[in-house]
Amino acid sequence: DVKVTQSSRYLVKRTGEKVFLECVQDMDHENMFWYRQDPGLGLRLIYFSYDVKMKEKGDIPEGYSVSREKKERFSLILESASTNQTSMYLCASSLDYGYTFGSGTRLTVV
Amino acid sequence: SQQGEEDPQALSIQEGENATMNCSYKTSINNLQWYRQNSGRGLVHLILIRSNEREKHSGRLRVTLDTSKKSSSLLITASRAADTASYFCATVSRGFQKLVFGTGTRLLVSP
Repeated sequence: DVKVTQSSRYLVKRTGEKVFLECVQDMDHENMFWYRQDPGLGLRLIYFSYDVKMKEKGDIPEGYSVSREKKERFSLILESASTNQTSMYLCASSLDYGYTFGSGTRLTVV
Repeated sequence: SQQGEEDPQALSIQEGENATMNCSYKTSINNLQWYRQNSGRGLVHLILIRSNEREKHSGRLRVTLDTSKKSSSLLITASRAADTASYFCATVSRGFQKLVFGTGTRLLVSP
């Protein structure tokens, strides 16, 4: 089975900190995605990538950037964390139309 | 942007009953998928139905798709307490790979 691993389950950071959320997949998938999930708003796409060093903005990219230096790893970066970025962050990968999600990182910015 | 709206937002039933959740979407799609999320965890893929399919089954799950109405339904038969979770529909548009999610239905199955 494909496995998508998110490096942290829970994370607490201070306002203004630079935050890295890491995601690694083990099945050579081309496509990787970062979503955030908030109550009442569902899952919203932040960024996605179809290949190494390639990135595309999703629906809510403001305040975020991404890095994909290797095929298996897709990092989400909060350049200067703010309290409105407190959320559940979910990473996913896909080859075709079958998506596999990680377990999520619950980030709290204080 | 949210593609799908799900109905109902919350559903509470007894074990053994059937649970039906509905999803509506806005644009033409390549396929529609249903996912399940246990509290505070990641999403698990349940079933995918392509735009040229009308019905699909997987175990106790039955999914229908009506592209003329831009709607889908997920039926869970003979529900169990372990089915308690949130269920999301998600669509993939033609020519794109990204999933666009609905807002989800919270299902509570009581023993």
